Amino acid sequence: AIQLTQSPSSLSGFVGEKISITCRASQGIASSLVWYQQKPGKAPEVLIYDASTRAGGVPSRFSGSGSWTEFTLTISSLQSEDVATYYCQQFSSFPLTFGGGTKVEIK
Amino acid sequence: QVQLVESGGGVVQPGGSLRLSCEASGLSLRMFGMNWVRQAPGKGLEWVAFIRYDGNERDYADSVKGRFTVSRDNSKNMLYLEMSSLRPDDTAMYYCAKFAVTGKENWFDPWGQGTLVIVSS
Repeated sequence: AIQLTQSPSSLSGFVGEKISITCRASQGIASSLVWYQQKPGKAPEVLIYDASTRAGGVPSRFSGSGSWTEFTLTISSLQSEDVATYYCQQFSSFPLTFGGGTKVEIK
Repeated sequence: QVQLVESGGGVVQPGGSLRLSCEASGLSLRMFGMNWVRQAPGKGLEWVAFIRYDGNERDYADSVKGRFTVSRDNSKNMLYLEMSSLRPDDTAMYYCAKFAVTGKENWFDPWGQGTLVIVSS
């Protein structure tokens, strides 16, 4: 199974700050990676798919980059409504796997 | 707007069985692969099971293989998860999730709101 390692596991930033989350795959997955945002008590929602394509309705401050084994989710200007846990997921092959999650908070 | 609504969760004793259902509205599921994903309390996400659009291909996480069975009824726009030999570590919120696009495996969009399964004596 392809393992995804997310870092950091948690981070805290100021409103307006730029933050980044990394997801590393145990083997090459091309661009078969998606990022989800999960707010407390809610189901996850797609932010970025195919590593760098923003899903419909997602604010432009969210961006994704990377390919093969290293991927990054960037929030260019952190907002209070971005408080959530973020997960990466690979869809290169079964079993589909997720990163461990990154909890984002506001300072 | 596509909406997925799960039901069937509850409290069950270890070794027991439970059947989860997922009803879709707003879109026919017959062209899409469907999945179950779970999340233990305070933990991360774990993919559980996949069923192809026509029901002719299924895949499972190793942790549930041989105990869980995924099925679907396209005429009713429904997805199911039959769970048996339940263990305490199966305790989780279970989400049904549609593959975003047709064809091979891809990402989950949308997700249902989840149904909670608690395995405890």
